[in-house]
Amino acid sequence: NAGVMQNPRHLVRRRGQEARLRCSPMKGHSHVYWYRQLPEEGLKFMVYLQKENIIDESGMPKERFSAEFPKEGPSILRIQQVVRGDSAAYFCASSLAGPNNEQFFGPGTRLTVL
Amino acid sequence: GDSVTQMEGPVTLSEEAFLTINCTYTATGYPSLFWYVQYPGEGLQLLLKATKADDKGSNKGFEATYRKETTSFHLEKGSVQVSDSAVYFCALSPSSGGAQKLVFGQGTRLTINP
Repeated sequence: NAGVMQNPRHLVRRRGQEARLRCSPMKGHSHVYWYRQLPEEGLKFMVYLQKENIIDESGMPKERFSAEFPKEGPSILRIQQVVRGDSAAYFCASSLAGPNNEQFFGPGTRLTVL
Repeated sequence: GDSVTQMEGPVTLSEEAFLTINCTYTATGYPSLFWYVQYPGEGLQLLLKATKADDKGSNKGFEATYRKETTSFHLEKGSVQVSDSAVYFCALSPSSGGAQKLVFGQGTRLTINP
């Protein structure tokens, strides 16, 4: 059973470009979470999604960031017009439906903005 | 809001030494508590967890006890190995219903020398 898959593992963008990060949850998991890890810091919650629904986006910056989890295909975290401060590791986690289920983390996408 | 504070690192120990990494939390209600480990270049892996007061989580020789009276969840291991070198994160899941987003501490980098 494959774990949570994220791609790309490394992404380099110039300021003003768009970054698109993909996350495929574990088989059977319908809940996806995105976290951001700035250098030498812990992970910060960004958004929680179920298929075709955003459940909690309280950690998402108000501008330039969006997330989706379509009925078919991976979850996408999109960052428009990237700035140097967006450079970070972005981790996706997935879980089964229902409360108190363990979140399984992917290997992360390391975004570098030049 | 909810928060987690970890002992600052980095921590460097010799093999077979005793390990303690302190973790305290602030939360309303009765959160679940977790320790995650992150090896270089990888995502987070759940190390252990406790869901109610006085529970002890344990795995791979690591232990942590949920202490509600001191709002703490310190990680301990009696004899560390070189392979334990990693970054350790303490985290909580709020007790309120809805999204089970995790709140992380800043992480403690542990290096074990042979």
